[in-house]
Amino acid sequence: QVQLQESGPGLVKPSQTLSLTCTVSGGSFSSGHYYWTWIRQHPVKGLEWIGYISYSGSTFYNPSLKSRVTISVDTSTNQFSLKLSSVTAADSAMYYCARGAYDSATYYIDYWGQGTLVTVSS
Amino acid sequence: EVVLTQSPGTLSLSPGEGATLSCRASQSIYSSNLAWYQQKPGQAPRLLIYAASSRAAGIPDRFSGSGSGTDFTLTISTLEPEDFAVYYCQQFGYSSWTFGQGTKVEI
Repeated sequence: QVQLQESGPGLVKPSQTLSLTCTVSGGSFSSGHYYWTWIRQHPVKGLEWIGYISYSGSTFYNPSLKSRVTISVDTSTNQFSLKLSSVTAADSAMYYCARGAYDSATYYIDYWGQGTLVTVSS
Repeated sequence: EVVLTQSPGTLSLSPGEGATLSCRASQSIYSSNLAWYQQKPGQAPRLLIYAASSRAAGIPDRFSGSGSGTDFTLTISTLEPEDFAVYYCQQFGYSSWTFGQGTKVEI
């Protein structure tokens, strides 16, 4: 059974960099079929895709966040990480890591972490 | 960027009734790139449907998806108490992945 677990500070000061890590257990982390993904959800609002990284290090970011986002991967520890720079209160949200998959010409997100709440405040 | 618009915003129904949820894309998308998720309070979303009409593993057959081009539908044939939740559609585009704003199915 694949499990994902987010970790990182729950409170970040405005203008600083938000940093989160996702640890993946179970399954095959280094498969070319998977896209290690970050998604956030603002309180009482919908879901916003942030970006993903493949095991080989290829990245794909939401154009609206691209200038501030970096996603990296460490295949030796089955972890991938999110950095979001110059944060404001608008970046306060529940952050999820998830596994995107590509199989038989279809895409889907099949496993999610439980989410970690990040608040931006001084 | 493809914008997904879900309707209605809220659906008020009773257990035993059927539900029809709509997801409309701002431009035509491949059916293979459309998924539906269910989210309950305090939980992460759960994959229900991928490729517009394929049920994910363990999903009951009362959930079905259909559609193509710009119009997609999630149907719940007979609502069970555990089905009252928020439902999101998602598309996997070449320039961005986007979600609809969600439809809340409430009792």
